[in-house]
Amino acid sequence: GAVVSQHPSRVICKSGTSVKIECRSLDFQATTMFWYRQFPKQSLMLMATSNEGSKATYEQGVEKDKFLINHASLTLSTLTVTSAHPEDSSFYICSAEHSGTVTDTQYFGPGTRLTVL
Amino acid sequence: RKEVEQDPGPFNVPEGATVAFNCTYSNSASQSFFWYRQDCRKEPKLLMSVYSSGNEDGRFTAQLNRASQYISLLIRDSKLSDSATYLCVVNGQLNGGSQGNLIFGKGTKLSVKP
Repeated sequence: GAVVSQHPSRVICKSGTSVKIECRSLDFQATTMFWYRQFPKQSLMLMATSNEGSKATYEQGVEKDKFLINHASLTLSTLTVTSAHPEDSSFYICSAEHSGTVTDTQYFGPGTRLTVL
Repeated sequence: RKEVEQDPGPFNVPEGATVAFNCTYSNSASQSFFWYRQDCRKEPKLLMSVYSSGNEDGRFTAQLNRASQYISLLIRDSKLSDSATYLCVVNGQLNGGSQGNLIFGKGTKLSVKP
């Protein structure tokens, strides 16, 4: 149990285009989902916390107008990278908080590798 | 001081060796601690939570020292399949409620050789 999927797994796009990444909790409901970004040889950095039915909370330095987050249901959160540029190329990983566990464990999706040309 | 610090390694060890990873964290109010494992170009996967009394899961033993703000992971009888990057993770949430805001260390790379 506690499976999180992400789609797509890999995307290559031209500079200036928008890219939408989906994160789904497949066998549990997740009131809260998180979006992380990992650059090569760097640690995962939290970008934003996505709460079902309300606005996302963004970490300092993350542009909310560039990284649009929608959490319309208890099993789906989407991250849209608008007007992507080469510096947005990164590994984007979502996680979903399983509130049914004792410690509210986060389960991670397999990640989306974004390459902006 | 970085929030979560780890020795980046790499640790190159032979099969069967015992290897220990250390981690320090800066936020004394942190309540939850974890070790995650991340394979190359993959997502992190929870290896084990770390409890105050220390805990063991098979070949893996985790220790927490709150006074020193120090966490450790010991791997005994290492296997080739243990080769990965081990991430020390601390929750950044100061108040109750959602765990959220996990703070990740950069990870320690382990390479187990035949």
